[in-house]
Amino acid sequence: KAGVTQTPRYLIKTRGQQVTLSCSPISGHRSVSWYQQTPGQGLQFLFEYFSETQRNKGNFPGRFSGRQFSNSRSEMNVSTLELGDSALYLCASSSPRGDTGRAQYFGPGTRLLVL
Amino acid sequence: GQNIDQPTEMTATEGAIVQINCTYQTSGFNGLFWYQQHAGEAPTFLSYNVLDGLEEKGRFSSFLSRSKGYSYLLLKELQMKDSASYLCAVRSPDSGYSTLTFGKGTMLLVSP
Repeated sequence: KAGVTQTPRYLIKTRGQQVTLSCSPISGHRSVSWYQQTPGQGLQFLFEYFSETQRNKGNFPGRFSGRQFSNSRSEMNVSTLELGDSALYLCASSSPRGDTGRAQYFGPGTRLLVL
Repeated sequence: GQNIDQPTEMTATEGAIVQINCTYQTSGFNGLFWYQQHAGEAPTFLSYNVLDGLEEKGRFSSFLSRSKGYSYLLLKELQMKDSASYLCAVRSPDSGYSTLTFGKGTMLLVSP
């Protein structure tokens, strides 16, 4: 089975711009979560989507948004970029089945640099 | 609130055994996960514990004590490729159906 894929892998933007990141989950996985990873804060939860509905949201400003499509693919958008948004953005998918406790499987991430 | 603590760094020698501890305080508990993350790469799933006790998977084992809010990851026969960050993560009812709350990770350096 193919793993979680994310595009693009690297992005350079300037302050004030907006960015859209894309994620395709493992085939059959309907839950997609997004995390931000920075050296200082570690991995922080952004939001989770299931069946095109946002099921949970982390403590991030409204500039961070996302959506999920009927094929479970997901996008996240960050508007009015700030320098502090520079981070690795990770997408993870999970399945309700199996004995791994609905473990999350991560994609390679999108590394965003805001100048 | 939720709080997960792990040591920041650990060092060990190739062939040795190392234990990475994790303590957590969460409002409710639905499982504890360990991930390995090599520099510049995504976290990869290592283990899952929801009941007290030891889960063994090859060279890696993970232990959980729910009453103590404590877990450890045990790595045996260390290899150079085990040099990585190890992340402890907890799922709780408050955090949602699939969401994980992560510790900041323990950077393990394995030396020859």
